[in-house]
Amino acid sequence: EVQLVESGGGLVHPGGSLRLSCAGSGFSFGSYWMNWVRQAPGKGLEWAANINQDGSEKYYMDSVKGRFTISRDNVKKSLYLEMNNLRGEDTAVYYCARGHTSPWDHVFDIWGQGTMVTVSS
Amino acid sequence: DIQMTQSPSTLSAFVGDRVTITCRASQNIDSWLAWYQQKPGKAPKLLIYKASSLESGVPSRFSGSGSGTEFTLTISSLQPDDFATYYCQQYKNYSRTFGQGTKVEIK
Repeated sequence: EVQLVESGGGLVHPGGSLRLSCAGSGFSFGSYWMNWVRQAPGKGLEWAANINQDGSEKYYMDSVKGRFTISRDNVKKSLYLEMNNLRGEDTAVYYCARGHTSPWDHVFDIWGQGTMVTVSS
Repeated sequence: DIQMTQSPSTLSAFVGDRVTITCRASQNIDSWLAWYQQKPGKAPKLLIYKASSLESGVPSRFSGSGSGTEFTLTISSLQPDDFATYYCQQYKNYSRTFGQGTKVEIK
């Protein structure tokens, strides 16, 4: 079964840091673009960051540039999101999502169940 | 950034109704558009990509159309399992923006 499982969410104070992980299984992890998409409570979806197959290309939404770092380990079939200097507006469910097959790499065909990040004092 | 605007924000319909949701892009995105379905507390599910290509396993009552700046998602005969929130997403440029969502409710 093709699956993505996120972990690492929790409660953190403003200005704090958190590292999210996403474990992939049931597919050739290193062959796909991977993404983080977030959803604030009661709000819509917001793409946050993505990374290409070998990690040489990384892109971020403007509001997280310089604070978040996406990375991957294809041997461990894992995706990561290092989040620093967290703000209240970063509070959201964070989903790991796989890019579709080329040339539809930036369509999200497989999603994890999400991990909740709460930034509050 | 490319802005995506969906209408309506909420839609009430009966089982069996034909339902249409519209998504407008602030600039030309050719056919670089996808549609997702999300149920409460669950991850989104891909329905349509390339504006009109049905994702594998998605029922044929779902269809997409459009190009450029105006797109539609149509459910030909609404089923009880279809009550959910639907999002469009552009992938013309790297920002990958979503619409604000359309909630389909039972009438």
